[in-house]
Amino acid sequence: GNSVTQMEGPVTLSEEAFLTINCTYTATGYPSLFWYVQYPGEGLQLLLKATKADDKGSNKGFEATYRKETTSFHLEKGSVQVSDSAVYFCALSHNTNAGKSTFGDGTTLTVKP
Amino acid sequence: DAMVIQNPRYQVTQFGKPVTLSCSQTLNHNVMYWYQQKSSQAPKLLFHYYDKDFNNEADTPDNFQSRRPNTSFCFLDIRSPGLGDAAMYLCATSRGPQGTSGYTFGSGTRLTVV
Repeated sequence: GNSVTQMEGPVTLSEEAFLTINCTYTATGYPSLFWYVQYPGEGLQLLLKATKADDKGSNKGFEATYRKETTSFHLEKGSVQVSDSAVYFCALSHNTNAGKSTFGDGTTLTVKP
Repeated sequence: DAMVIQNPRYQVTQFGKPVTLSCSQTLNHNVMYWYQQKSSQAPKLLFHYYDKDFNNEADTPDNFQSRRPNTSFCFLDIRSPGLGDAAMYLCATSRGPQGTSGYTFGSGTRLTVV
């Protein structure tokens, strides 16, 4: 079946540091890949997505590239801010599974001033 | 703005007392999902509707039911809440079952069972 493995947290960084959160997946065929962000007490928000190999999703300074050869979709940001502190979820969706998403366990990011 | 709205944001219910959580959407999306999330863990899918077609996950307890009276609204009914049902309940929508567009989530309802 489908699965998503995320880098374990929590991750603590200083403001303006470089961020990488690793995500690898297992799925047959060509799933769509997503990163969601969840701020404290809120629902998840779609941060970025990629629907085919070598696509790069980007939003708010975050980027992730769909790497089929390594089955990865690592999240990166060049300079984090305190406001980026949140939980980040990697997810995949497969059209053979009625579009249902499989989520990773989430990575908690704390950015200190 | 088109959005997904969950009511209430916080719900306190007594052990064993039925409770209903609601979700509405103005996106006109075909698919609506209910997820259970505990302590910032991965959300766990309970069930989803594709239009009027209901799809239950195999491990969703019978205690959880859902209704979708029209495109805009979807309800989660917990018939006899136990302490283990305390969680954040998330409603999400997507345009279709292809899975390429991602989900739009509501802000969630945090359920406390006392």
